[in-house]
Formats: sequence, structure tokens, C-alpha cells
Amino acid sequence: NAGVTQTPKFQVLKTGQSMTLQCAQDMNHNSMYWYRQDPGMGLRLIYYSASEGTTDKGEVPNGYNVSRLNKREFSLRLESAAPSQTSVYFCAIKRGLTGDNEQFFGPGTRLTVL
Amino acid sequence: KQEVTQIPAALSVPEGENLVLNCSFTDSAIYNLQWFRQDPGKGLTSLLLIQSSQREQTSGRLNASLDKSSGRSTLYIAASQPGDSATYLCAVSFGDQGAQKLVFGQGTRLTINP
Repeated sequence: NAGVTQTPKFQVLKTGQSMTLQCAQDMNHNSMYWYRQDPGMGLRLIYYSASEGTTDKGEVPNGYNVSRLNKREFSLRLESAAPSQTSVYFCAIKRGLTGDNEQFFGPGTRLTVL
Repeated sequence: KQEVTQIPAALSVPEGENLVLNCSFTDSAIYNLQWFRQDPGKGLTSLLLIQSSQREQTSGRLNASLDKSSGRSTLYIAASQPGDSATYLCAVSFGDQGAQKLVFGQGTRLTINP
């Protein structure tokens, strides 16, 4: 998965619990992304970070917060998990702002909220 | 709202056949289009990236074409093999959303029968 690691791989939470999903890259790329993938909905962008110190909302940001700790790491936090946040979460990276760069994805975190 | 559509949702063909997967998008003003492969329970693997200025890209047995004026892309797979069985996703970076964001189709689940 092109130097993108995600932890944990699996997680089960109870409604109202909090947790942080971690993403790290070793490719020195500027841009990092968080997506969620749900059956019938495809992949949807939650948040992204074009560079260290900046973050922007995607299509479905409600209920999530992010932190771009440094160039390598981009974390996604669920402050009070809800069953609607049961999903597979993918982190992705991209070299730069221009349109000639591919996005590369991590292996995903499978989250179940009971 | 920008949308990406992939039809059919599922396709089953015998081994050895050449096949075409389709992707359509709602706006011709795009930065690029990316084709991905996703195996069950895994992350996304980038297959091909086509810039808005390009008509096609090739990698091995894969050939992706782009027709911006009609809002369509095709992924051609030659001499299909059982190992090609996976879900294929098309994603578009639309011009009015910046080069950062990808909008995904819901994918075509491909099964190659031995």
C-alpha cells in the first residue's frame, strides 16, 4: 500500500466512546486524506490536509476531527462515536497540489460502533 | 453536485476474454481521472492516472481512455485472468474542486471465471 500505514486495523466501540485513527506515510508526500467507504455509498472524503499545518473539510466531516501532527502523520478522531460511523476508513496520500499526481491508499481500518 | 457513475455494478466473464469497464462523470472540466483496483477486505491500488490533457494511458494488459467532451472513461482489460477478479473504481478530480479532491464511482465488481 505504497508506504501508508494505518492503525488499528480493526476496532469495536460502544456508542459515545471516543477513539483516534492513526495514519502515517514514509513517502514524504504533502497531501493526506481520510475517506470512509460504505456499501452502496462508495468512498467519501471526510477531511484532507494539503500540507503540514493545514486541514480542510471534505464531503462528510460532521462527527470527526483531524490533526496533521507533522508531515508524516494525519489522525482522525471520533469524539463520541455513533452507529452511523460504522464503516471502513481509508487514509490516502498525494505528492502535491497539481493534477498530475496519483493518490495512494492505506490498508484501511474497519470500525464497528455498537 | 459532481457525480461519477460506473455501470454495470457487477460483471462476470470467462477467462481469456477482453472486457471494458465504463465510467461516466457529470462535468468535462476535470484535472484527472484515476482507476483503482480493490480486492475484498483490502485497500485501493492505483492502476492508471489519466491527465485531462491525455486521451489514454496503458499499463501492461490495461488501457484506460478518456473522452472529456462526452464525460466518459473506459478501462480495457485484455486477455482477462482469474487474478483480475476484484472491484474496479473510477475516481475523478473535478476542476472546480481543486486538484486535491477525488469523487469516486461506486465501482464495478468483476469476476473472471476459470
